[in-house]
Amino acid sequence: GQNIDQPTEMTATEGAIVQINCTYQTSGFNGLFWYQQHAGEAPTFLSYNVLDGLEEKGRFSSFLSRSKGYSYLLLKELQMKDSASYLCAVTTSGTYKYIFGTGTRLKVLA
Amino acid sequence: DGGITQSPKYLFRKEGQNVTLSCEQNLNHDAMYWYRQDPGQGLRLIYYSQIVNDFQKGDIAEGYSVSREKKESFPLTVTSAQKNPTAFYLCASSSAGTSNEQFFGPGTRLTVL
Repeated sequence: GQNIDQPTEMTATEGAIVQINCTYQTSGFNGLFWYQQHAGEAPTFLSYNVLDGLEEKGRFSSFLSRSKGYSYLLLKELQMKDSASYLCAVTTSGTYKYIFGTGTRLKVLA
Repeated sequence: DGGITQSPKYLFRKEGQNVTLSCEQNLNHDAMYWYRQDPGQGLRLIYYSQIVNDFQKGDIAEGYSVSREKKESFPLTVTSAQKNPTAFYLCASSSAGTSNEQFFGPGTRLTVL
């Protein structure tokens, strides 16, 4: 089967750094996406990892370890507008499906 | 402006009625997807289509139907057979293959009374 795990909720302070983890168990792993979703809105794309290592994009970075079935999203210099849910999604070879985790709700406090 | 649109934003229906949610994209994407999202839940795949006139069931297709007669359009019908239809419905599109990001529409919040 396929399974993706993320923490349900996290809280951090404005200006701080937060790491949101995602672990997955899938066969035929292809790649991993991170999306941001504000309440009541559509998810928006943040990053895509297919090879091991860190991908940096401004304040956001994403890391992947294929051998450990593990990824994290790192958010630096947190701002109030970063309060949102962060969704991890995995794709596998042989299918056109994107498999989403339940998301991590991040609250940024002043 | 290229994008993906869903209408309406909010929809109310009586129990037992079928309802169709629209999804249109002008991104020239081959692939389109329908997801359902319940409070505190991730996205669950209802149906997906990789090409015109072809579509596949996702993980929770029971009680739903779709069509893909045009590349730009992928409407979803929520039938009376769907036991718990009240939810937030999201449509997405992407270029062919799963190495490409999905673009999401703004969503339709369906409430069945």
